[in-house]
Amino acid sequence: EAQVTQNPRYLITVTGKKLTVTCSQNMNHEYMSWYRQDPGLGLRQIYYSMNVEVTDKGDVPEGYKVSRKEKRNFPLILESPSPNQTSLYFCASRGQGAFYEQYFGPGTRLTVT
Amino acid sequence: DQQVKQNSPSLSVQEGRISILNCDYTNSMFDYFLWYKKYPAEGPTFLISISSIKDKNEDGRFTVFLNKSAKHLSLHIVPSQPGDSAVYFCAAINQAGTALIFGKGTTLSVSS
Repeated sequence: EAQVTQNPRYLITVTGKKLTVTCSQNMNHEYMSWYRQDPGLGLRQIYYSMNVEVTDKGDVPEGYKVSRKEKRNFPLILESPSPNQTSLYFCASRGQGAFYEQYFGPGTRLTVT
Repeated sequence: DQQVKQNSPSLSVQEGRISILNCDYTNSMFDYFLWYKKYPAEGPTFLISISSIKDKNEDGRFTVFLNKSAKHLSLHIVPSQPGDSAVYFCAAINQAGTALIFGKGTTLSVSS
């Protein structure tokens, strides 16, 4: 089954404790991306990757890092989480060509206290 | 500054009737638009899209209309079903083709 998976689905952590949210896709997609969803703000892009070893900032990259060492994986790293990073996070992927629809993972709800 | 706007946070419709969800955009350079549906505890799923060279795209019960001069698009669901109850996001592909620019979403409730 074609899918994007994320782990963990739910995470509660404390300020400053480094964490990683994993994302994996099994569709051999070149493009992967991370979004966050906040109440009243819709989804906003954090980082994206056009292919292995190629990453770039989206609209709200501050406080986040990513890496793309393998085509199927695109982890999101919070080196020192803060309460304003409490949010619902979605990973997405799509094939080549900007006009392909993106496939989203199920989401990771992160709470930073 | 929101480039994609969904001004109605919610919409309630009776089963069998038409649901019309609206979306406005400000950037005239956008040339591809998508609608996503989202159920609680799930990620958004693609519903339907439209290119700016068209004014209508239809897929079963779902039709998207695009009015470029008004920078407005709408999603029509006919007939509406209780299973359509979800949050609907309008999105545009940015000029670089690297991101989806989302509206805030409209929560559709279809009652039986």
